Amino acid sequence: GQQVMQIPQYQHVQEGEDFTTYCNSSTTLSNIQWYKQRPGGHPVFLIQLVKSGEVKKQKRLTFQFGEAKKNSSLHITATQTTDVGTYFCAVRESNYQLIWGAGTKLIIKP
Amino acid sequence: GAGVSQSPRYKVTKRGQDVALRCDPISGHVSLYWYRQALGQGPEFLTYFNYEAQQDKSGLPNDRFSAERPEGSISTLTIQRTEQRDSAMYRCASSWGGLDEQFFGPGTRLTVL
Repeated sequence: GQQVMQIPQYQHVQEGEDFTTYCNSSTTLSNIQWYKQRPGGHPVFLIQLVKSGEVKKQKRLTFQFGEAKKNSSLHITATQTTDVGTYFCAVRESNYQLIWGAGTKLIIKP
Repeated sequence: GAGVSQSPRYKVTKRGQDVALRCDPISGHVSLYWYRQALGQGPEFLTYFNYEAQQDKSGLPNDRFSAERPEGSISTLTIQRTEQRDSAMYRCASSWGGLDEQFFGPGTRLTVL
């Protein structure tokens, strides 16, 4: 079945620094979704990427889908305390089933 | 409703007891998913409903786990003869269709003593 590797597991940043998480697959993906889960909360949908080379922006968040549709990244510019949480990518195994990455936890250093 | 709701939010039970976890999806959502999420991990797929039809139960760990959605709305995940290894956060999500974004409920934290 589909597998997706997400790195890094954790990233510690100073407030104001940038953050990036990566998802990689050995197979070509039909699409990829990104979710954010705040501490103690539930996953919340951020975006879905479908097209090869697609780049989408949401304020300070930039999402990219690789040209070969085998990898994706989420980049946050100038992190803020509200960005704290775990960011997950999720890829389609079938018409409905999502396979989730292990997540990257964003930690803001005090 | 405004979002996906789940009840109870917390359930503590003794080993060997049966538990029933409820999910009330967003009104009109056709697709309903059950996941299990361990601390520090992504959600792990358990089962999927399209309307009332359970179209995939391949993620259910064993035959002690079952789920139903008899009227295509509320769903119940039942765990029989609970074991300590069943302790986890159980999450429900719903969507308009199988390809759409999923909306998650707050989860039920199950603890088996």
